[in-house]
Amino acid sequence: EAQVTQNPRYLITVTGKKLTVTCSQNMNHEYMSWYRQDPGLGLRQIYYSMNVEVTDKGDVPEGYKVSRKEKRNFPLILESPSPNQTSLYFCASSWGSFMNTEAFFGQGTRLTVV
Amino acid sequence: ELKVEQNPLFLSMQEGKNYTIYCNYSTTSDRLYWYRQDPGKSLESLFVLLSNGAVKQEGRLMASLDTKARLSTLHITAAVHDLSATYFCAVPNAGGTSYGKLTFGQGTILTVHP
Repeated sequence: EAQVTQNPRYLITVTGKKLTVTCSQNMNHEYMSWYRQDPGLGLRQIYYSMNVEVTDKGDVPEGYKVSRKEKRNFPLILESPSPNQTSLYFCASSWGSFMNTEAFFGQGTRLTVV
Repeated sequence: ELKVEQNPLFLSMQEGKNYTIYCNYSTTSDRLYWYRQDPGKSLESLFVLLSNGAVKQEGRLMASLDTKARLSTLHITAAVHDLSATYFCAVPNAGGTSYGKLTFGQGTILTVHP
């Protein structure tokens, strides 16, 4: 089954404790991105990747890192999480840029930083 | 910078009534996506609108795109409770350093009650 898989689904952590949210897709998509969803703000892009080893900042990259060592995986790293990073996170993938194809979204990761 | 605005942000409807959600965007794009999100769930693709004048229908939902007016509408006909969800429109950036990035509206929370 074609899917985008995120882990974990739920995470409660403390300020400053490094964490990684994994994202994997099995559709051989080139384009992957991370979004955060906050009430009243819709989804805002954090980082995106157009292919292996090619990543770039989105609208709200501060406090986040990503890597794209393999085509199927695009982990989101929070080196020193803070409470303002409490949010619902989505990973998305597509064949190409969103100008040409629609995005497929993971199930979401609800992160709480206390 | 591309901005996408939806209205209304909250919509409480009676079953059987009709209503329209509007999505305005600020820069040129000839395509637009509509997504549905159920509480605690991921985003599900509803419609992909790929050109000016595009109209798509699925059940009680119909979406249209007017690229000249930079406006898309999502029309709900004879609402039923199952349509209760949050609806997002999303527009891909057409140029500059943000080429292909998806920008989302804030979302419209639709509640259908008897």
